[in-house]
Amino acid sequence: AQSVTQLDSHVSVSEGTPVLLRCNYSSSYSPSLFWYVQHPNKGLQLLLKYTSAATLVKGINGFEAEFKKSETSFHLTKPSAHMSDAAEYFCVVSLNTDKLIFGTGTRLQVFP
Amino acid sequence: EPEVTQTPSHQVTQMGQEVILRCVPISNHLYFYWYRQILGQKVEFLVSFYNNEISEKSEIFDDQFSVERPDGSNFTLKIRSTKLEDSAMYFCASSGGLGKLQETQYFGPGTRLLVL
Repeated sequence: AQSVTQLDSHVSVSEGTPVLLRCNYSSSYSPSLFWYVQHPNKGLQLLLKYTSAATLVKGINGFEAEFKKSETSFHLTKPSAHMSDAAEYFCVVSLNTDKLIFGTGTRLQVFP
Repeated sequence: EPEVTQTPSHQVTQMGQEVILRCVPISNHLYFYWYRQILGQKVEFLVSFYNNEISEKSEIFDDQFSVERPDGSNFTLKIRSTKLEDSAMYFCASSGGLGKLQETQYFGPGTRLLVL
């Protein structure tokens, strides 16, 4: 069975400092992995996706994530947080099926 | 940029009533999906739809639920005889049909359903 675990329910950072949102996945096969972001009262927006090409994936708004098969991880990072990055972030896995399996989400707070 | 739209944004209904949630997927997309998020819980897959039929559904998607593509642009989720536990945010999504591993699902803003 496939699943995804987001290790932190809340992360707080100061503006201008790095962001690290952690995600581990469980899958018997090579999965597709995604990060989605949800701003308050908005839909789910795709940040980036991994589909077995380059292991370091660059997304929108300066975010990137690295697929590490040995660690079964797909952590999301950004070198310098901006106030507008405050949102809920979801790590998502898919295995050649229609359905996406979502993690529980990490709420990112950015302080001035 | 094309986007998925959903109406209404909020819906309040009485327990036992039927509701229809509406979605307009991105126009050239072939696959359509519904997900829900109960307050404080994970986003959960409900159903996927392709070529005018359900291609996959979860255990949640029982006989109380149905989906339809009544015309060339709308995709609807009908919930019959709503229960209190159906209160949730319902998200519609669509994808282009390149092949499942390559797919990106694009989500709408959601409909918040409250059953009283």
